[in-house]
Amino acid sequence: ETGVTQSPTHLIKTRGQQVTLRCSSQSGHNTVSWYQQALGQGPQFIFQYYREEENGRGNFPPRFSGLQFPNYSSELNVNALELDDSALYLCASSITLSSADTQYFGPGTRLTVL
Amino acid sequence: GQNIDQPTEMTATEGAIVQINCTYQTSGFNGLFWYQQHAGEAPTFLSYNVLDGLEEKGRFSSFLSRSKGYSYLLLKELQMKDSASYLCAVRDRKDDKIIFGKGTRLHILP
Repeated sequence: ETGVTQSPTHLIKTRGQQVTLRCSSQSGHNTVSWYQQALGQGPQFIFQYYREEENGRGNFPPRFSGLQFPNYSSELNVNALELDDSALYLCASSITLSSADTQYFGPGTRLTVL
Repeated sequence: GQNIDQPTEMTATEGAIVQINCTYQTSGFNGLFWYQQHAGEAPTFLSYNVLDGLEEKGRFSSFLSRSKGYSYLLLKELQMKDSASYLCAVRDRKDDKIIFGKGTRLHILP
């Protein structure tokens, strides 16, 4: 158990809908990153938040957006869902932005888009 | 650009030793991580290397050569529970992002 929680565990949506995924960081962690993991692939970096500000973004379109709250919990929002958005969405928290800090992953949200 | 290569699948026998290789290309290296991921679960941290050499942690060791853009994860005294995917990930100094490889699925045979 890493202390990072995500909700919901599973979600089924249809193409064109919008979805919000939630993540609670480990206590004391102010940095959170979101990843998309398709079946049989490694996690792909979506974006990172540090102290409520976006601090880097991967190659994902603007319909993927996020928020980090004062308590360092976080949301990932995806608009206009496409079939290819079906994946495991992982959030990972770390103590700070330091490069030496380990990221601790939550259990993930399995999103299926029909 | 950034690129991480690792074998797709490997098979080993319970009690044996296995080495999983990872090669990477990045514009600015700032650390390499190994994670273990069981099917349907989140990745769990195994090791972190930022300087050249071998880091040993129980049955698992990780090696890094920055000049060669190369790392390996060594698993000794393999157990059935070691059947999992092993992810190599590199942090890029330029933008601090962590880039993951596609993972190596390790199958352990009795």
